[in-house]
Amino acid sequence: KQEVTQIPAALSVPEGENLVLNCSFTDSAIYNLQWFRQDPGKGLTSLLLIQSSQREQTSGRLNASLDKSSGRSTLYIAASQPGDSATYLCAVTETSYDKVIFGPGTSLSVIP
Amino acid sequence: KAGVTQTPRYLIKTRGQQVTLSCSPISGHRSVSWYQQTPGQGLQFLFEYFSETQRNKGNFPGRFSGRQFSNSRSEMNVSTLELGDSALYLCASSLALLTDTQYFGPGTRLTVL
Repeated sequence: KQEVTQIPAALSVPEGENLVLNCSFTDSAIYNLQWFRQDPGKGLTSLLLIQSSQREQTSGRLNASLDKSSGRSTLYIAASQPGDSATYLCAVTETSYDKVIFGPGTSLSVIP
Repeated sequence: KAGVTQTPRYLIKTRGQQVTLSCSPISGHRSVSWYQQTPGQGLQFLFEYFSETQRNKGNFPGRFSGRQFSNSRSEMNVSTLELGDSALYLCASSLALLTDTQYFGPGTRLTVL
């Protein structure tokens, strides 16, 4: 059974700092991995999608990597800003049951 | 291009009642997925519809059902509501596949009293 975990559960950093969020999954049989952000009480916004054949994706200050063999993904945020404060979730689409499994999220707070 | 819309945004029901939630996907998107989000269980996949057919299903009881119309709009129904059904229900649309980038709506906050 696929399990997705995220470390840390919460993170507080000063503005301008570079940071890394971690996502781990137990079954490497995935189609892809997505990173989302969720603002309080709101829906999810897709940040990056990495296909299983890819190693990384970049969008602006965000860079996500995928190591399928070790079951890990990282989301790197450069030069963090207060507007980056949100909960970040990773999700894998598994091939066995065609379901999307989400991690519990990392709550990020960027202090001005 | 308009995003994913969900109605209503907030609902209050009592135990035993049933509820129907609606989701309108982004124009041109044919896949609609539903998720339940609670503080204890996080985000859990309910089901996915494509071309009016349920294509995938999560581990939820039969009280949770859905359907999709020919214009790709989708509805989700929960019968015999329980207190534990209180949650944020999110729908997401994608072009064709569950593996495509998913775009989420703002959610419907359901409170069961």
